[in-house]
Amino acid sequence: DAGVTQSPTHLIKTRGQQVTLRCSPKSGHDTVSWYQQALGQGPQFIFQYYEEEERQRGNFPDRFSGHQYPNYSSELNVNALLLGDSALYLCASSLYAGTANNEQFFGPGTRLTVL
Amino acid sequence: RKEVEQDPGPFNVPEGATVAFNCTYSNSASQSFFWYRQDCRKEPKLLMSVYSSGNEDGRFTAQLNRASQYISLLIRDSKLSDSATYLCVVNIGRGSTLGRLYFGRGTQLTVWP
Repeated sequence: DAGVTQSPTHLIKTRGQQVTLRCSPKSGHDTVSWYQQALGQGPQFIFQYYEEEERQRGNFPDRFSGHQYPNYSSELNVNALLLGDSALYLCASSLYAGTANNEQFFGPGTRLTVL
Repeated sequence: RKEVEQDPGPFNVPEGATVAFNCTYSNSASQSFFWYRQDCRKEPKLLMSVYSSGNEDGRFTAQLNRASQYISLLIRDSKLSDSATYLCVVNIGRGSTLGRLYFGRGTQLTVWP
């Protein structure tokens, strides 16, 4: 049973460029959440997708957008990259059962460097 | 004010030592509490959930004090393999924030031989 997978593992971009990160959830999971982890900090919630819709959003600008496909995989898009967007981007999958206790499984992350 | 506050450490302890980590959370409506472990340059992995009655998993004991909004993790008989960053995590778990995890910045632990 494959866990959460993310691609690419590493990415280097320059300021102003756009980037797309991809995530495939754990088999049987229907909800994908994205987190940004800056160096030395804990992960911060970006947004969550369920049934192909953004269900919740953290305190991130509109430059951050996403998508979920019918097979539950998801993309995170970031436009007009800034140096401060350099971070580890984590995808977490879970079952959306309307409770607080569903474990979220994290993928290995995509390490984005903006030069 | 951050949702979850943690002492970042670092904690450096010898093998066999007992070490305790603490964190506080700001939202009294929080419903679920966890400790995650994160190895260097890897993803966070669930170490254990934290229940109001306190719970134990081998050498690890987690405690929750809802009145004080305080969570703790105790590691007994530390092993070299326990070296990692320990993240305190809270899920407010209702309304518009259902399913959103709030992470502390993590406490770094190094166990030396």
